[in-house]
Amino acid sequence: IVLAQSPATLSLSPGDRATLSCRASQNIKNQLAWYQQRLGQAPRLLIYDASSRATGIPARFSGSGSGTDFTLTISSLEPEDFALYYCQQRDNWLFGHGTKLEIK
Amino acid sequence: QVRLVESGGGVVQPGRSLRLSCTASGFPFSTYTMHWVRQAPGKGPEWVSFISSDGRDTYSADSVRARFTMSRDNSRQKVHLQMNSLKSDDTAVYFCARGHGGYYFDLWGQGLLVTVSS
Repeated sequence: IVLAQSPATLSLSPGDRATLSCRASQNIKNQLAWYQQRLGQAPRLLIYDASSRATGIPARFSGSGSGTDFTLTISSLEPEDFALYYCQQRDNWLFGHGTKLEIK
Repeated sequence: QVRLVESGGGVVQPGRSLRLSCTASGFPFSTYTMHWVRQAPGKGPEWVSFISSDGRDTYSADSVRARFTMSRDNSRQKVHLQMNSLKSDDTAVYFCARGHGGYYFDLWGQGLLVTVSS
């Protein structure tokens, strides 16, 4: 199974809505997680099982999708949200190549 | 405080060995699966190895199988990664991570840089 994330880079402003995509090469049901990685830090689990928010994650982060197409939405960007985002599927613990969310 | 702290990284020559350790605190360690995940410079994370909560089951990525071995000591709240026959492609930051239901990673260490170079 291969995970393809798009876009590679997303340029937005604080307060904007961000929509990040992850597409699996075959049906993975809802078995997908999203992580945020800030510069110089370890990844942080945001969403698991496609739509469940991890402990302590703000409500502006939401996940959706099933089968092959998944979306991470950040409803209103805060300055600390500009970072790298990775999706990860359960089988073989495989990660996507990431989306860089940068300030426009 | 709930955390994972790695130790043992550094610079090593190709073909040599290195042992990484990770110490857990603040949670019931013996009830959680554990993993090692690495990240090469400028790349996304790559899962490396898994160990079950009781240490009986381990799995490793194809890229490291037969060279890397993961183990744990529940009495000391530690996991280890024994890395043998190191290659330049193994150069990366290595993270210890706690398993979330065995499938995801919900707690990460700060990461350790391992550089394989002559």
